[in-house]
Amino acid sequence: QKEVEQNSGPLSVPEGAIASLNCTYSDRVSQSFFWYRQYSGKSPELIMSIYSNGDKEDGRFTAQLNKASQYVSLLIRDSQPSDSATYLCAVNKNPMFSGGYNKLIFGAGTRLAVHP
Amino acid sequence: GAVVSQHPSWVICKSGTSVKIECRSLDFQATTMFWYRQFPKQSLMLMATSNEGSKATYEQGVEKDKFLINHASLTLSTLTVTSAHPEDSSFYICSARVDGGGNYGYTFGSGTRLTVV
Repeated sequence: QKEVEQNSGPLSVPEGAIASLNCTYSDRVSQSFFWYRQYSGKSPELIMSIYSNGDKEDGRFTAQLNKASQYVSLLIRDSQPSDSATYLCAVNKNPMFSGGYNKLIFGAGTRLAVHP
Repeated sequence: GAVVSQHPSWVICKSGTSVKIECRSLDFQATTMFWYRQFPKQSLMLMATSNEGSKATYEQGVEKDKFLINHASLTLSTLTVTSAHPEDSSFYICSARVDGGGNYGYTFGSGTRLTVV
């Protein structure tokens, strides 16, 4: 089982729609969760971080975390063509299980395509 | 905001030579930096965790004698790919943890595209 799993996509949504991206993780004691956006040939850029169960909103983005289900999601409202990118879910691995250091483990990413 | 500067952004080298990639934290001190490798259409794979003043911790399957990591100061970590071969061609990215206000995040360098010919 992969530590962080995402549907590779592509997820295709029309402009203005809501895009829903999902992620599951295997380490039940993971502490922190991040969503990154990566354009082709570029390094990841942070969109959202979430640490507690529930929803966290920032502009058009909402992250949702359910630790009991080991599930984290990202909703993008009013999707724009410029949102077309690969979205990476990342989980901070518990230092107790990673040699005492915080490690950020990435999922394979979901490719989002927003069409006009 | 916290910035990590990574150089070079791209490099082409001959097979058998060594290449050094630098990552600097510009406006904060990075006790720990992480080095990732990304092959086309794949996700970021953690190679090693670099700690200032001590030896790096390598992930399983990563050759520590081939990928030399040095973290000599709180603002500089380097990755040297020794005796590079075409299969080492990849996108290498560094990252540093940034703490602030009780929360934290990870900021990334801009990446280095290595092509070994």
